[in-house]
Amino acid sequence: DAGVIQSPRHEVTEMGQEVTLRCKPISGHDYLFWYRQTMMRGLELLIYFNNNVPIDDSGMPEDRFSAKMPNASFSTLKIQPSEPRDSAVYFCASSLAGLQPQHFGDGTRLSIL
Amino acid sequence: AQKVTQAQTEISVVEKEDVTLDCVYETRDTTYYLFWYKQPPSGELVFLIRRNSFDEQNEISGRYSWNFQKSTSSFNFTITASQVVDSAVYFCALRLQGAQKLVFGQGTRLTINP
Repeated sequence: DAGVIQSPRHEVTEMGQEVTLRCKPISGHDYLFWYRQTMMRGLELLIYFNNNVPIDDSGMPEDRFSAKMPNASFSTLKIQPSEPRDSAVYFCASSLAGLQPQHFGDGTRLSIL
Repeated sequence: AQKVTQAQTEISVVEKEDVTLDCVYETRDTTYYLFWYKQPPSGELVFLIRRNSFDEQNEISGRYSWNFQKSTSSFNFTITASQVVDSAVYFCALRLQGAQKLVFGQGTRLTINP
């Protein structure tokens, strides 16, 4: 079975550029999560969706970050404009409703120069 | 507020040794769920186990075992007869009932030397 698929795996871009990270959740999963992992702050939840609707975006660092889920099989996390402090590994995860565990993608390693 | 503490930043042992990774959590809720995830060098996060707050039975899965003690708010993870492939960063996480958010500890980097 296909797991959570994220693209790209690596992204290197210059400060000020727009960055778009993509995620395809596991088919049938109701929830989709975006996390950021840094050495300083560890794993942080940025935003999560339930049935394509954003439920909690309190972890989104600032207005430069936005996330969408236009349908049940696709989500994007956009940073515009990007800054060097946005450099991190961004994970997407999905889960079924209830007490099911979150399943993570391989992550996108983002470097902003 | 909820918090997960993994006090051991790094552990290094020789292959075949047993090793225990500590996890201490804080919450005022009476119903919650605890998780362990493994992050191997390749970077992905792999789910290992979920434990409910009302079930304090220890769990064993092959060389892995988990000890949950509500009295000390701990959910420790032991690897018996460690192997080089166990080398990874291990994360403990907490989730409250009715919530979807996972609160992660800072992780413990485990290195198993041949």
